[in-house]
Amino acid sequence: EAGVVQSPRYKIIEKKQPVAFWCNPISGHNTLYWYRQNLGQGPELLIRYENEEAVDDSQLPKDRFSAERLKGVDSTLKIQPAELGDSAVYLCASSTKGYAGEANEQFFGPGTRLTVL
Amino acid sequence: GESVGLHLPTLSVQEGDNSIINCAYSNSASDYFIWYKQESGKGPQFIIDIRSNMDKRQGQRVTVLLNKTVKHLSLQIAATQPGDSAVYFCAEKRNYGQNFVFGPGTRLSVLP
Repeated sequence: EAGVVQSPRYKIIEKKQPVAFWCNPISGHNTLYWYRQNLGQGPELLIRYENEEAVDDSQLPKDRFSAERLKGVDSTLKIQPAELGDSAVYLCASSTKGYAGEANEQFFGPGTRLTVL
Repeated sequence: GESVGLHLPTLSVQEGDNSIINCAYSNSASDYFIWYKQESGKGPQFIIDIRSNMDKRQGQRVTVLLNKTVKHLSLQIAATQPGDSAVYFCAEKRNYGQNFVFGPGTRLSVLP
């Protein structure tokens, strides 16, 4: 079974430029997460999707960040315009739910390392 | 604010010894905990999980202990191997939601 796929793996851009990240979750996983991980820190949630609905985007900086999951499968995360402080690893994860609706373990992709110059 | 944290940022152990990585959490409403291993350049990899109705869970060479009284979580790795060198994160899920909160991580270095 294929894991969570992310692309690109690395991206270097100049500040004020736009950038987009793509994620393909594990087949059958309805819940999809986008995280940002700064160097030496744990992942921080940006947004969580249940199917195509963004059910928690409270931590997403909406002035410059946007995300979509139009058909409830693949997802894209966009930053426009990028700032120096956006340099980080952007991780995508997916999961299923238990019979009682509880969250199950998350499976992470390899991440996209963004460098903003 | 409420947070998940780790007592030690780095841990060095001799190959073959047992490792214990600790995690303190402050939200007594958390009901699900996961330990992740993250190697350089890779995403976090699931190691073992435990729900709040359990005190202990064992996997292959790993054991997670949950002490709800003092809000403490630990990961024990038996016979630590060089391949265990990585950063380890604990993550908690609060029982009113589906989101996980990650701690800052502990770097485990296995010495030959």
